Amino acid sequence: QQQVKQSPQSLIVQKGGISIINCAYENTAFDYFPWYQQFPGKGPALLIAIRPDVSEKKEGRFTISFNKSAKQFSLHIMDSQPGDSATYFCAASSASKIIFGSGTRLSIRP
Amino acid sequence: NAGVTQTPKFQVLKTGQSMTLQCAQDMNHNSMYWYRQDPGMGLRLIYYSASEGTTDKGEVPNGYNVSRLNKREFSLRLESAAPSQTSVYFCASSPLRDGSGELFFGEGSRLTVL
Repeated sequence: QQQVKQSPQSLIVQKGGISIINCAYENTAFDYFPWYQQFPGKGPALLIAIRPDVSEKKEGRFTISFNKSAKQFSLHIMDSQPGDSATYFCAASSASKIIFGSGTRLSIRP
Repeated sequence: NAGVTQTPKFQVLKTGQSMTLQCAQDMNHNSMYWYRQDPGMGLRLIYYSASEGTTDKGEVPNGYNVSRLNKREFSLRLESAAPSQTSVYFCASSPLRDGSGELFFGEGSRLTVL
């Protein structure tokens, strides 16, 4: 049983378009929601993170939208670029335990 | 500036063999984690250690044991390897004990069990 459900599994977006990846969780004890980016052959790296007391956080072209009542959060990548092609993971944490979603392979077409 | 170092990077085992994956971090972080990554399954937490001297089970602990040897080192042991344990294993560390800080990952250890 997956505690953090992520969709879609893969996504193709044209250069300059908006990439949207969604995640949902069940455990209301989760209190920190990061997104990680992973390139082939490398470990994941933190992209952006949010706490449940805010509904949105923006850093450059990357935005997290958070809906506490629906227990959902999403990553939006504006003006998507070929360099954004990677695998993206959402995660949720509570008391040291950090659980990841299944990942989304994003490809940006030039 | 090593960060999180994992050894070995590649290993092939036969079913039933044992081995230990080593992980060390030089950032004076409190928490350390072991994940496995499989296609379509994402990163699944095997064990974690919120601080030196403590370890806890994650989502998929069966078939594994861990040791938090000191603040720097966190090892993962497979006592009797099975083909289902073929995976890429990632060690990670975090400066905070409560899971709210950034995770810093190693580059992974690719394990094949025949």
